[in-house]
Amino acid sequence: QQQVKQSPQSLIVQKGGISIINCAYENTAFDYFPWYQQFPGKGPALLIAIRPDVSEKKEGRFTISFNKSAKQFSLHIMDSQPGDSATYFCAASKGANNLFFGTGTRLTVIP
Amino acid sequence: EPEVTQTPSHQVTQMGQEVILRCVPISNHLYFYWYRQILGQKVEFLVSFYNNEISEKSEIFDDQFSVERPDGSNFTLKIRSTKLEDSAMYFCASRAEKTQYFGPGTRLLVL
Repeated sequence: QQQVKQSPQSLIVQKGGISIINCAYENTAFDYFPWYQQFPGKGPALLIAIRPDVSEKKEGRFTISFNKSAKQFSLHIMDSQPGDSATYFCAASKGANNLFFGTGTRLTVIP
Repeated sequence: EPEVTQTPSHQVTQMGQEVILRCVPISNHLYFYWYRQILGQKVEFLVSFYNNEISEKSEIFDDQFSVERPDGSNFTLKIRSTKLEDSAMYFCASRAEKTQYFGPGTRLLVL
């Protein structure tokens, strides 16, 4: 059972462009939705997170949009930079406990 | 900045052998986790640990797996009799409030 579905699997964006990664979840009990960034050979690192009582959260160039009724959330990376090239995972949990991860999106930002 | 550390970074073992993966969580954290990531796949939850006992475990975490906090700083994952399909990257994570902080992982290869 796939609790969190993520798309696309890979994404290529020009420098300065907007990267958009989408996720959908099934369990309505989830109440914490983080995004993690992972560089090769490293562990996932928290990028930004949202709770379902808000529809959007912005931190610098990173924005999470959340649609509770559709059970979907997305990550937008504005002004994408080559240093943003990494794998991005969405995740969901109930009460910040064990995380259910999406399948990951490999982002490549072309200079 | 405090970080989760893991040893060893790489481990190669023969099928049927026991392995112990070690983690030092962030010092004031109370919740500890093990996840694994098979090459090219998503991060999967194995087990969570709080107050010196397992609080939740996944279907993957069968009788071949065990966790222990042998002292005030280390958190270990033992695989009693490794199988080929145990080959993966194993991540330890710890949490104080909402955010789970991941270690750099141990890459386990079972031959």
